[in-house]
Amino acid sequence: AQTVTQSQPEMSVQEAETVTLSCTYDTSESDYYLFWYKQPPSRQMILVIRQEAYKQQNATENRFSVNFQKAAKSFSLKISDSQLGDAAMYFCAYRTPNNNDMRFGAGTRLTVKP
Amino acid sequence: DAGVTQSPTHLIKTRGQHVTLRCSPISGHKSVSWYQQVLGQGPQFIFQYYEKEERGRGNFPDRFSARQFPNYSSELNVNALLLGDSALYLCASSLGSGSPGAQSYEQYFGPGTRLTVT
Repeated sequence: AQTVTQSQPEMSVQEAETVTLSCTYDTSESDYYLFWYKQPPSRQMILVIRQEAYKQQNATENRFSVNFQKAAKSFSLKISDSQLGDAAMYFCAYRTPNNNDMRFGAGTRLTVKP
Repeated sequence: DAGVTQSPTHLIKTRGQHVTLRCSPISGHKSVSWYQQVLGQGPQFIFQYYEKEERGRGNFPDRFSARQFPNYSSELNVNALLLGDSALYLCASSLGSGSPGAQSYEQYFGPGTRLTVT
C-alpha cells in the first residue's frame, strides 16, 4: 500500500529565512504524481507545487521548490525567503494515474517568526 | 471563476441522525472527490466520482454514500452518525481522466464542511 510520511509534526522559521519540509513515500509504482498542499487556519487546502515522477527536473514555483529523489522516495519542499503568510499546515500527497485516491501525509505545521 | 464551493459551512448533528453535504466543482471539472479530515490529521479519501460514476472508494463503512449529478455537483451522505464522524469534510474537483499529465490529477479543494456530532 502506498503511504506518505511526514516526520516533522512542527517546524519553525524566521521571516526571510529558508526552511525545508520533509516527505517520504512508499510505493512500488513507477508512474505517479506528488503534491504539496498548504492549509492555512482558514482551512482551505491550496495546491503549492506538483511533481511528475517521470520528470527528473525538480519543480519550482516562485519561492517554493522541491527536492525529488525518486530512488530514495523522498520529496521535500523548500520555502525560500519565508513570509508570515507562509504559516500553515503543509501536506505532502501522492497519487498514481491508476488509483483514484490521493494519499496524504499527517502534515507539518509551519510557524514563521517575525 | 468561482472555485469549489461547499455547503453548509458548519453543521451540528446528533448521534444516529443523517447528514447530506453538498459540493459544486470548478466549472469544466468533471471529477469530484470527497475526503474526511479529522482534527490534527491529513485528509482521508472517501469517494471519487467522474462523469456521474463512482471511480474510487476509500476504507469507509457503507453508512457513507455519495452521488454526482449531471451538472457534476455532488452530495455526500452519512447515515447513522457516530461521534467519530465529527470532522472537516473536504470536496475537491479536478479535470478528470483524459487530460494530459499531472493537470488532470490536480485537485482543487473547497473550504470544507465542519461536521460536529454530539
